[in-house]
Amino acid sequence: SYELTQPPSVSVSPGQTARITCSGDALPKHYAYWYQQKPGQAPVLVIYKDSERPSGIPERFSGSSSGTTVTLTISGVQAEDEADYYCQSADSSETYVFGTGTKVSVL
Amino acid sequence: EVQLVQSGAEVKKPGESLKISCKGSGYRFTNYWIGWVRQMPGKGLEWMGIIYPGDSDTRYSPSFQGQVTISADKSITTAYLQWSSLKASDTAMYYCARRGYRAEDGMDVWGQGTTVTVSS
Repeated sequence: SYELTQPPSVSVSPGQTARITCSGDALPKHYAYWYQQKPGQAPVLVIYKDSERPSGIPERFSGSSSGTTVTLTISGVQAEDEADYYCQSADSSETYVFGTGTKVSVL
Repeated sequence: EVQLVQSGAEVKKPGESLKISCKGSGYRFTNYWIGWVRQMPGKGLEWMGIIYPGDSDTRYSPSFQGQVTISADKSITTAYLQWSSLKASDTAMYYCARRGYRAEDGMDVWGQGTTVTVSS
C-alpha cells in the first residue's frame, strides 16, 4: 500500500526554522496537506494544496513541493508550535493516506 | 459557525456492535465529503474512508474495507461509522472531518473525536 514517510522527530530552538519533510512516490501527481495536532486535541489543517495557508494560520507556516518530497517549514518557531505534524495526500480518487507523523520539540 | 459534533465516548465488549455519529451544522451537508480517521493510543493518524452525503458515494481505505461501514443520513445531517463485531484492537480515538468544497482544499473542519474502548 502507498506510504508517506516523515522523520519521527525534529528539534528546534525558539526563533529558529523547523523543516519537516514528507516523501511519497505519488506526490508529484497529488496535492499534499499538512495538519498540526497538539496533545488531546483534534488535528488542524495548516497547509493545503502543497503551499496554501488557510485563514487564521500564522504566516510562519509555509509549504513547498519538489518531486517526490513535500516540506512544511515553520519560520521563527514559537513554543506554541510544539506538536505532532502529519502530511496527507491522495492515493487515488477520494482515497487518502497520512504520513507517519513528526513530533516537533521546541527546546 | 461550521462545526462537526461527534457522539460521546463508548465502552464496549469484544463482539459487540457499535455505531458512532458525526453531526454537521452551519453548512450545506450534502455538498461536502466527510472522512473518518482512526488514531490508536499513542499512534499516528490513519485514513479509514470517506462518504459524500449527497449520494452516499463511499470510498474505503483498503486497510478498513470490510472492517467498518460508513454511512450518512442527509435528512439529519449526520454521518456514521459502525462496526458489527468489535475487537480489542478497535480501541482508539475516531475523528470525522469535512473535506473542503474542492478536492484540493484538504480536511478543513474536524470533529472533537470519539473515544472507543473495547475491553472484556
